[in-house]
Amino acid sequence: QLMVTQSPSASAALGASVKLTCTLNSRHINYAIAWHQQQPEKGPRFLMKVNSDGSHIKGDGVPDRFSGSSSGAERYLTISSLQSEDEADYHCQTWGTGIEVLFGGGTKVTVL
Amino acid sequence: QVQLVQSGAEVKKPGSSVRVSCKASGGTLNNYAVNWVRRAPGQGLEWMGALVPLYPASGYAQRFKGRLSISADESTSTAYMDLIRLTSEDTALYYCALSASFLRGDGLDFDSWGQGTLVTVSS
Repeated sequence: QLMVTQSPSASAALGASVKLTCTLNSRHINYAIAWHQQQPEKGPRFLMKVNSDGSHIKGDGVPDRFSGSSSGAERYLTISSLQSEDEADYHCQTWGTGIEVLFGGGTKVTVL
Repeated sequence: QVQLVQSGAEVKKPGSSVRVSCKASGGTLNNYAVNWVRRAPGQGLEWMGALVPLYPASGYAQRFKGRLSISADESTSTAYMDLIRLTSEDTALYYCALSASFLRGDGLDFDSWGQGTLVTVSS
């Protein structure tokens, strides 16, 4: 059964870095995930797909300060040089072998 | 890249049904898996189901089976989400989202999103 877990919140100072974690079920250690950003009052935006080997493919126009990585069942999104517009909800998405999708609960990022 | 434009906000009575549309421009729906996702107030994103028009094939989250239907009209590049027997718990923003990866056998990540449609269920 698919499972994906995210911390509900994270914060960092303007200009600093923050690393968000998405944790998969240990049986799905080879699964890829996708990160989506949702700014206040806006629809979600695809940021990147992160594979189990840490490689990642970004969406169009996603700034270089967004990067992805992996370790075991964990998938990460690192935001460097935090900007005020990065204050948003970040959603981790995974999927099964058929037509099945699961989202984590989302992480709210606050820029201090 | 394909652009998605959804229909406008809806206010519905409990027990009624709602249809939300999602029109794609700059591409054909046959190249994608078409997904519907919602976000209720104070909650995270919830996947509802998907249609792959090319096959065709569909899949629905367990909690929506029997209440949700996803369809597509390729002649107008428009996808539809029909949800019946509405309750107040269905009050949410509803989004369509496309996955180009699925038909390549490379996952079901969403690379395009609609702007969202607010559905309010209230007596």
